[in-house]
Amino acid sequence: QVQLQESGPGLVKPSETLSLTCTVSGGSISTYYWSWIRQPPGKGLEWVGYFYYTGSTKYNPSLKSRVTISVGTSKNQFSLKLTSVTAADTAVYYCAKGVGSSWYYFDSWGQGTLVTVSS
Amino acid sequence: SFEVRQPPSVSVSPGQTARITCSGKAFPKQYAYWYQQKPGQAPLLVIYKDTQRPSGIPERFSGSTSGTTVTLTISEVQAEDEADYYCQSTDSLGTYVIFGGGTKLTVL
Repeated sequence: QVQLQESGPGLVKPSETLSLTCTVSGGSISTYYWSWIRQPPGKGLEWVGYFYYTGSTKYNPSLKSRVTISVGTSKNQFSLKLTSVTAADTAVYYCAKGVGSSWYYFDSWGQGTLVTVSS
Repeated sequence: SFEVRQPPSVSVSPGQTARITCSGKAFPKQYAYWYQQKPGQAPLLVIYKDTQRPSGIPERFSGSTSGTTVTLTISEVQAEDEADYYCQSTDSLGTYVIFGGGTKLTVL
């Protein structure tokens, strides 16, 4: 059973860069597609993008100019960077695993981490 | 605005059937997926590829499709089914993931 755990700062200042890491256990990062999905407080889900171990990525067109998803600094980790953040980027950020060879739906999720953008 | 649209809320009494619809131009070309999210928890996949149920999901949960509308049906609703339900698909070209705005299911 694959498990995911998000980590990173809970508070980011406006105009700065949001950086999060997802640590995967119980499975190899080189086996599946890995996504970031966010949820503003009290609102719905928004897909941010995915990463595949080959370096392949795909991003939500609405965020594409500000997002980078890549392999993490440690084994079995991947990361999210979102630049030039504003209050609209305040959300719970989830990392999630794609099902089988699919990148477009998700069967394992982290518990989520709240990131607040505020000065 | 959302590319797939869901009703904001659905209410049902215990033991009755709840139906949550999701409509969008991505359907039927793209598959629909449904997630259940309870307060403070991550979403849980309950239906994939329009009608398939992951292992461990009760048979009370089923999915169907008709034209540009897909439906999540929960039979014999129980109090524990009270949650937000999200429809998910990809855009009509299959290039990115889209979510509906979510439907709050209230068990009266």
